Amino acid sequence: SQQGEEDPQALSIQEGENATMNCSYKTSINNLQWYRQNSGRGLVHLILIRSNEREKHSGRLRVTLDTSKKSSSLLITASRAADTASYFCATKDSGAGSYQLTFGKGTKLSVIP
Amino acid sequence: DTGVSQDPRHKITKRGQNVTFRCDPISEHNRLYWYRQTLGQGPEFLTYFQNEAQLEKSRLLSDRFSAERPKGSFSTLEIQRTEQGDSAMYLCASSSSGSWNEQFFGPGTRLTVL
Repeated sequence: SQQGEEDPQALSIQEGENATMNCSYKTSINNLQWYRQNSGRGLVHLILIRSNEREKHSGRLRVTLDTSKKSSSLLITASRAADTASYFCATKDSGAGSYQLTFGKGTKLSVIP
Repeated sequence: DTGVSQDPRHKITKRGQNVTFRCDPISEHNRLYWYRQTLGQGPEFLTYFQNEAQLEKSRLLSDRFSAERPKGSFSTLEIQRTEQGDSAMYLCASSSSGSWNEQFFGPGTRLTVL
């Protein structure tokens, strides 16, 4: 079953603008990961943030995590046309012995040149 | 290329036929996962292997589905008596040992059941 929702479901911006996507989840987690998926392709791992971290950066990506609100956000700065893709958050539960990831439904980002 | 590979990339079959997909994980990864993704949805977990042992199975994995990882390296996912509802992208991922579980995905096998 889906863990939660990404918000918005779809986002269209001009090249050079920033894009912010949000993710909510329901359970206690060990970590949260963001993935990118180009149309009809596999998923590319972007960034992992641990439950004891609040913010993480990787290049033009900034991820925040608020475990009290069970939410995360992904910010892509200075967007490029090549950033056009679907973005998914995925959570790993904190329970021992469970290694599956639970994905949201994704945000479809369109960056207009 | 040392990434996760899957074969075939596309499979079209008629309802009632059996299909088998293969996944080759990153060579040093001992954990392997299968997910299914339908249009407009995120991936949904099917099953997980640590080495050759199948340790987790989702309720989505009906008795028509079987997965193996006989030598702890590549894995196969077989669907028997396919149904139109099985049409989806089947994704394989692998990860190394450790608690953070960063998973690396293959390109997927797109199954169409006519």
